[in-house]
Amino acid sequence: NAGVTQTPKFRVLKTGQSMTLLCAQDMNHEYMYWYRQDPGMGLRLIHYSVGEGTTAKGEVPDGYNVSRLKKQNFLLGLESAAPSQTSVYFCASSQGVQDTQYFGPGTRLTVL
Amino acid sequence: GENVEQHPSTLSVQEGDSAVIKCTYSDSASNYFPWYKQELGKGPQLIIDIRSNVGEKKDQRIAVTLNKTAKHFSLHITETQPEDSAVYFCAASTWTGFQKLVFGTGTRLLVSP
Repeated sequence: NAGVTQTPKFRVLKTGQSMTLLCAQDMNHEYMYWYRQDPGMGLRLIHYSVGEGTTAKGEVPDGYNVSRLKKQNFLLGLESAAPSQTSVYFCASSQGVQDTQYFGPGTRLTVL
Repeated sequence: GENVEQHPSTLSVQEGDSAVIKCTYSDSASNYFPWYKQELGKGPQLIIDIRSNVGEKKDQRIAVTLNKTAKHFSLHITETQPEDSAVYFCAASTWTGFQKLVFGTGTRLLVSP
């Protein structure tokens, strides 16, 4: 099992550009999460999904959209990137609401 | 909402010493407290967790204690090794339809040989 994978690993965008980050898990997990990690601030939840076809807002959802068309994939989109979205993005998944969240390796995004 | 504070932000110890990292939380409804280890360039990895109906849990050199009354929990690492060097995050969670993890700001642990 690969676990949780994320693509790409690194990306540099110019302000106003758009992009999609892909998260994939091969553990048949129901729940998937997107976090951002900024220096000195820990991880903060952007959006989450409790199952295929569902999405919901987390703590810091502004400027991001998500989709979960397939159970194994959770996409994070930036429609118009801003320098404030420079961060490291982590995806996580868990089988149930009380189960361990497994994290991917992260995507380092820089917006110039 | 929930707020988690973590101390210290950096911790340097000699190999073989013990290390203790402390966290406090604000929401008395929180009932799940995981600890994650993050190595450079990698995602966080769960090392131990504790639920609110348990006061202490141990796994080899790692232990976690929880004081629900005082709303604090701690990570204890004994006989530290250089490979323990990493950033450690505590988190607190409630289960309200999803696992709402709120993370501390992290502790950078450096174990010197």
